[in-house]
Parts: sequence; structure tokens; C-alpha cells
Amino acid sequence: KQEVTQIPAALSVPEGENLVLNCSFTDSAIYNLQWFRQDPGKGLTSLLLIQSSQREQTSGRLNASLDKSSGRSTLYIAASQPGDSATYLCAVDPVLNNDMRFGAGTRLTVKP
Amino acid sequence: EAQVTQNPRYLITVTGKKLTVTCSQNMNHEYMSWYRQDPGLGLRQIYYSMNVEVTDKGDVPEGYKVSRKEKRNFPLILESPSPNQTSLYFCASSSMTGGGKNIQYFGAGTRLSVL
Repeated sequence: KQEVTQIPAALSVPEGENLVLNCSFTDSAIYNLQWFRQDPGKGLTSLLLIQSSQREQTSGRLNASLDKSSGRSTLYIAASQPGDSATYLCAVDPVLNNDMRFGAGTRLTVKP
Repeated sequence: EAQVTQNPRYLITVTGKKLTVTCSQNMNHEYMSWYRQDPGLGLRQIYYSMNVEVTDKGDVPEGYKVSRKEKRNFPLILESPSPNQTSLYFCASSSMTGGGKNIQYFGAGTRLSVL
């Protein structure tokens, strides 16, 4: 059964810092991996989707990488801003099942 | 505008009183799913549907029912709610490509309290 783990659970950084969030998964047989952002009490918003055949995806200040063989993905946020404060979740789409598997998330706080 | 719409947004009910949370998407997506989110437990999948009349259990299906009679709608039914179903519920949808799911769109959530 696919397990998804995110480290750290919480992270606090000063504004302007570059940071990396980590996601690991136990079964490399995936279609893709997605990174989401969730603001308190709100729904999830998809930030980046990396297909299993891709190594990375970029959107603005965000860059997500995928190393499928080692079961790892990272989300790199450049020049962090207070508006980036949110919980970031990763999710994998397993080949063997039709469900989606989510990590517990990393709660990010960017201090002005 | 691409949307997943859940109703109601907030619901307080009593144990045993049947309720339905509706979910509708306007993107003609094949895949729809329901999740619950609880502190410390993260997002857990309740049920999902690959297309009309095709539904399957996720991780935590006990106490829930779903139906997919139309492509756009995927209601979540609690036949006899219990306090342990107090949670934040999300509906999501996505298109499918080559067996895999594409970008998932989430509804705004339904906060349910069962007294």
C-alpha cells in the first residue's frame, strides 16, 4: 500500500529565503505526483503536476522535482513571501490503484 | 470558470439524521472523489468514481454512500451520521489521461458537525 510522507511537518522562515519541502513515497509505480497548497479552512489548489516520465516542473517561483526511482519529490520555493504561508501537500497517483494518496502536509510560515 | 461546487458549506446535524452533501463539477471530468480531512490524520479518501455508474471504496468508506448517475454530480450520503463523522469534507474532480489522473480540482469544503 502506497505511503506518502512529508518532512518537515512545519517550517518557519524569514521572508526572502529560498526553501525546500520534501515528499517521499514508498511505491515508485505512479502515474504522476502533484503538489497542492491549502490555506486554513479552504480547499486545495494544485500548484504543479509532474508526470512519471518527467524530472521537474516549474511555475513562477516554484520548482518541483521528481526522482521516481528513489521515491522522492521536492518543492523548491524561491524568494519566499508572507503570502506563501500555507500548508503544502503532495499526492501521488498510484498505477496499481485508482485512488490518490496524500501526505500529511508541511505547514509553512513566512515571517515578514 | 472551472469549478467544483459543494453544498452546504457548513452543516450541523444530530446523530442518525440522514444527510446528503452535493458535489457538482462543470469541467466534464471523468474522475470524482470524496475526502475527509481530520487534524493529525491528513486527507483520507472516502469514495471515488472513474465515470458514470462506476464507484469504488477509498480508505475510509464505512458509514458513507455515493452515487454517480450523471457525470457532473457525485453526492455523498450519510445514512445514519455519527459523531465520529464530524470532519471537513472535500470533493474533487479531474480528467483522465492514459490511465492516470490529471490536475485535481477541489471544492471549497463542507464542515460537518454531528452532535
